[in-house]
Amino acid sequence: TQLLEQSPQFLSIQEGENLTVYCNSSSVFSSLQWYRQEPGEGPVLLVTVVTGGEVKKLKRLTFQFGDARKDSSLHITAAQPGDTGLYLCAGEDSSYKLIFGSGTRLLVRP
Amino acid sequence: DVKVTQSSRYLVKRTGEKVFLECVQDMDHENMFWYRQDPGLGLRLIYFSYDVKMKEKGDIPEGYSVSREKKERFSLILESASTNQTSMYLCASSPPWGGTGFSPLHFGNGTRLTVT
Repeated sequence: TQLLEQSPQFLSIQEGENLTVYCNSSSVFSSLQWYRQEPGEGPVLLVTVVTGGEVKKLKRLTFQFGDARKDSSLHITAAQPGDTGLYLCAGEDSSYKLIFGSGTRLLVRP
Repeated sequence: DVKVTQSSRYLVKRTGEKVFLECVQDMDHENMFWYRQDPGLGLRLIYFSYDVKMKEKGDIPEGYSVSREKKERFSLILESASTNQTSMYLCASSPPWGGTGFSPLHFGNGTRLTVT
């Protein structure tokens, strides 16, 4: 069974700080998706990375896919309270199914 | 925008009851999924369907069944609810696989089920 390890599990930071969330696996994925889930809602797709080494930016969020397509990171610059939520990475396996990580719960304090 | 609607936000059921969770999507997506979400475990796939009347077991199908009689509707059935099925249940839909190589999921807002 493919596994995706996310770290850290919890992160509480002050507004304006930077942070990085990691998503690691021993398996290769054809693509990797990042979702954010806010309380009372379902996860919403932020980005999909497909090519090894790919970097995508979404305003203050930077996503990177590892060269070997086994890991990914999400970096947030100058975090805002609106960034608070549960961040989930999900790797797509060879049969097109998504394997989800356990999530990183981020709290950004004003 | 894709809309995935789950019929109930909160449900409280008793042990042994038969429970139906309903999900409807409005984007004509071929694929539909049921996940459960538990703290520290992420999302685990229960069942998915890639076409009407088709279903495939996910990673944790025991104690559950599904029904897809129409393309837009995917139902999750707990034949005899047990306390260990207390969880958040998320329905999702996606376009067909292949081609671009990835299929983002569109999620509903979840049903929080408590079995007492």
